[in-house]
Amino acid sequence: DQQVKQNSPSLSVQEGRISILNCDYTNSMFDYFLWYKKYPAEGPTFLISISSIKDKNEDGRFTVFLNKSAKHLSLHIVPSQPGDSAVYFCAASAGDTNAGKSTFGDGTTLTVKP
Amino acid sequence: DVKVTQSSRYLVKRTGEKVFLECVQDMDHENMFWYRQDPGLGLRLIYFSYDVKMKEKGDIPEGYSVSREKKERFSLILESASTNQTSMYLCASSLAGLRSQHFGDGTRLSIL
Repeated sequence: DQQVKQNSPSLSVQEGRISILNCDYTNSMFDYFLWYKKYPAEGPTFLISISSIKDKNEDGRFTVFLNKSAKHLSLHIVPSQPGDSAVYFCAASAGDTNAGKSTFGDGTTLTVKP
Repeated sequence: DVKVTQSSRYLVKRTGEKVFLECVQDMDHENMFWYRQDPGLGLRLIYFSYDVKMKEKGDIPEGYSVSREKKERFSLILESASTNQTSMYLCASSLAGLRSQHFGDGTRLSIL
């Protein structure tokens, strides 16, 4: 049973437009959510996060929205740039777990076309 | 800047061999993790450790063991490698109390 799902394996957008990446979760114990970006031949790097007490967190061009009732979060990138082309992983964490363990989705490959 | 270093980028081993994957972090992080990444399956947690000599099973621990004798080093051991363990292996670390993790660049392991 997959607890964190990214239903779109890939997304293609034009440079300058908005990219919206989606993530759904099933475990009500998750109280912290993270997005990571991964370039080929590199490890994932942390991008942005949100606590369950908030519904929005913004960092420059990146905004994460959380809808707890729908168990859904999304990452918005505005404006999208070719350098944003990467695999994006959604991750969720429950506060009662040791060591900040996270559960990851399968990833969405974003391609931003010039 | 946090550095997580995995000893090999590419590794080729034979079925039945004992395989060691090494990971070292330089920021005194308490927590360390081992994942494998397979196409369409995302990152799956194998084992993690929140202190020296402490270890806990992740979601797919079968066929693997770990060792954490020093705070900065976390080793993944394949006791008897099998072809279904061919994968990309990622090590990560994090500070106690923080949820975000720092990843190494991965080891692509092929078992022939």
